[in-house]
Order: sequence, then structure tokens, then C-alpha cells
Amino acid sequence: GQQLNQSPQSMFIQEGEDVSMNCTSSSIFNTWLWYKQDPGEGPVLLIALYKAGELTSNGRLTAQFGITRKDSFLNISASIPSDVGIYFCAGPASGTYKYIFGTGTRLKVLA
Amino acid sequence: EAGVAQSPRYKIIEKRQSVAFWCNPISGHATLYWYQQILGQGPKLLIQFQNNGVVDDSQLPKDRFSAERLKGVDSTLKIQPAKLEDSAVYLCASSFDTYEQYFGPGTRLTVT
Repeated sequence: GQQLNQSPQSMFIQEGEDVSMNCTSSSIFNTWLWYKQDPGEGPVLLIALYKAGELTSNGRLTAQFGITRKDSFLNISASIPSDVGIYFCAGPASGTYKYIFGTGTRLKVLA
Repeated sequence: EAGVAQSPRYKIIEKRQSVAFWCNPISGHATLYWYQQILGQGPKLLIQFQNNGVVDDSQLPKDRFSAERLKGVDSTLKIQPAKLEDSAVYLCASSFDTYEQYFGPGTRLTVT
């Protein structure tokens, strides 16, 4: 079945550092969404992307819709302790309504 | 605006017992989703409703799982009988007219 692979799987970073993560698919996506999940909570929508090449920011977060439409990237600038959590990419593959979540990137910040 | 409500937050049952989860979406959201999230994995879509009709239930184990959204508002997901591998967090989400989903806090199910 369709899969969204996220890289890296987990990362430790120093507070204040910038973070980059990506999400890749074997299928074309028309919509990419990025979510953050804290322990014991449901995912929270961070950024939605609707067009190839689109670059969208939400505070210190910036996400890009890859031009091949098979990947997306999320950057966090100047990380802080509350950025700790699991980041998921998600979306419906082209031609389907079925929503797929990625494997997740677990972010751990060293204060 | 109130968020997606789910209950209970936690449930512990023995295998072969039955369990039901309830979800009330954000007011006005026509689309409702149920997900299963096993520890360490991303959420997996079980069923998607548009109003009170099913859009996709291809990953719902229909021999033991059922879901309904009778009046197009709140929804119930049932497992009968439960197996050990059903231990997971069950998440409900809703959306208005885009793919931007809003999630509830989830129900953590432990099957012993």
C-alpha cells in the first residue's frame, strides 16, 4: 500500500538550533499537511500545502511542497523546548480520499 | 469554538469483551474520521464519514469493528470482541471542507 516515509526517524538538537525534516512518497500527492503530536494528545495541524512548490510559514515553522509532488519538507528555526514531540506529514494520495500519515519524526530538544 | 470531544479517555478491558468509543466533532464539520494509532506509529485511518454516509472503510476490520454516525453529527466506534492487538489509541478527527483535520485527544485502549 501507499506509504509516507519520514526522515530522520528521531533527532536530538540543542535549543536554538534549526531543524529540518522531510517526507517522501512513491505516489503523487495534491495536498501535504504537517501535524505535531504531544504525548497523550491528538495531532495538531501546523501547516497545510496545496500547490507544488508552495512555501508556507507559521511562526518559526516553514514547510514546502516539493516540485515532484512526491515529497515535502518542514523546517523549524531557533528550536525551543516546547518543540519536543512527534511531527507527522499526512495527506490523501492523488486520486484518492484516503488520508495517510507518515512514520513520524520524533524531536527531542536538549536545553 | 469547542474542539473535537472524545470519551472515555482511557479504557481497560479483557480480550473478547466489547468496548465503544464516542466522538463529537466540531460543530458544522461534515467529515468525521476514526483512526487507530499503535504505539510508535502514525495514525491509520479506519473509517471516514461524510455527513452520515461512509466514504472509506477499507481498513476497518469489519468482522469485529463497527462504526456509525446516525444523525451526521456524533459518532460511535465499537469493537466486539476485542483482541490483544487492538490495544492502541483511537483518535477521532473532523474537517469542514478541506483536508485540514482537527483531532480529539483520543481514547487509549488497553486489552489484557
